[in-house]
Amino acid sequence: GAVVSQHPSWVICKSGTSVKIECRSLDFQATTMFWYRQFPKQSLMLMATSNEGSKATYEQGVEKDKFLINHASLTLSTLTVTSAHPEDSSFYICSATLQGQGVQETQYFGPGTRLLVL
Amino acid sequence: AQKITQTQPGMFVQEKEAVTLDCTYDTSDQSYGLFWYKQPSSGEMIFLIYQGSYDEQNATEGRYSLNFQKARKSANLVISASQLGDSAMYFCAMRCKNYGGSQGNLIFGKGTKLSVKP
Repeated sequence: GAVVSQHPSWVICKSGTSVKIECRSLDFQATTMFWYRQFPKQSLMLMATSNEGSKATYEQGVEKDKFLINHASLTLSTLTVTSAHPEDSSFYICSATLQGQGVQETQYFGPGTRLLVL
Repeated sequence: AQKITQTQPGMFVQEKEAVTLDCTYDTSDQSYGLFWYKQPSSGEMIFLIYQGSYDEQNATEGRYSLNFQKARKSANLVISASQLGDSAMYFCAMRCKNYGGSQGNLIFGKGTKLSVKP
């Protein structure tokens, strides 16, 4: 149980285009999903927390208009990188919790999406 | 301030031997959760083990055990009988009730790269 999927797993796009990444909880309902970014050989950096039916909470330094997050249902959250540029190239990974934001709640991660902007 | 410190950038272990990956944390919260994740070269984050701040016994999950020393604020991961498939990055993470702009987020250490030698 607690499987999270991401699509696509790889994206190569031209500078200026927008890219949408989907994160789905396959066998559970996720009221809270998280989006992370990871540069090579570095740790995960939280970008935003996504709650179903409400606006995402962005971490300091993350541009809301650049990284649009939508959590329209209990099983789907999307991250759209708008007008992508080469510096947005990174590994994007989402996670979800079963029952919200308690300290004991395990976050289950998707397999990640590698974005390369040319 | 909440912080996770992993002081070992890389570790080597002989196959079938045990290895300890160090993790120290800093928080003023009384209630928190400690997690270990494994990230193989494919990029997915695999949940390994969880320890709650109020748990009196050390957590164990198969070959993984967490050596929790609350007074020293350490949560070391012990992998017994190492296997070649254990070669990966290992991240220690903490979840506090209140952190930054989003409650209950995971704070990650920088990770330790474990290499298992045949």
